[in-house]
Amino acid sequence: DAKTTQPNSMESNEEEPVHLPCNHSTISGTDYIHWYRQLPSQGPEYVIHGLTSNVNNRMASLAIAEDRKSSTLILHRATLRDAAVYYCILRRQGAQKLVFGQGTRLTINP
Amino acid sequence: NAGVTQTPKFRVLKTGQSMTLLCAQDMNHEYMYWYRQDPGMGLRLIHYSVGEGTTAKGEVPDGYNVSRLKKQNFLLGLESAAPSQTSVYFCASSFPVGNTGELFFGEGSRLTVL
Repeated sequence: DAKTTQPNSMESNEEEPVHLPCNHSTISGTDYIHWYRQLPSQGPEYVIHGLTSNVNNRMASLAIAEDRKSSTLILHRATLRDAAVYYCILRRQGAQKLVFGQGTRLTINP
Repeated sequence: NAGVTQTPKFRVLKTGQSMTLLCAQDMNHEYMYWYRQDPGMGLRLIHYSVGEGTTAKGEVPDGYNVSRLKKQNFLLGLESAAPSQTSVYFCASSFPVGNTGELFFGEGSRLTVL
């Protein structure tokens, strides 16, 4: 499985945008980029995923570099409820399992 | 909507005891997973199943057994619990990856082995 690298922790302020980076230099052409987040004392929840093009949904946006060796999860206007561990995961097309890394712990200051 | 339900939510065992964690999903998902999460760490895959009657090993399968006798249930068994198995266990389910493959997680089961 291709590996992802994320910063251990990041901090931002409430109502400001947050850009969470993820490096995946060994990504293959059939690897999808998935993001999950885990709020305190809860199970992870799906945030967004993409292959090549940028993606938007109600929770966040995913910006994928043209060479696909990196991506950025964008929270447009952070709230205190967005404080969580964010996981960037590569999942090969057809792969049956999802392997988590260490993630980035995001702290939101009021 | 129940989603993914894990039973029990908390359990304390003594070394050598056995127990079974039950995961039930009501979304007609084909795939089901068991992960463990140690303090301050990410999730590690123990076992998973891609359909009724099938199971496969994940990253850390030793010391655990699983069964998927019914599509909606995925059981995780510890035959002889060890302190190293103290962890929070998460069950998840999903449709096959031909769809988004989004995993839906339960709330977790906290297990302490003394």
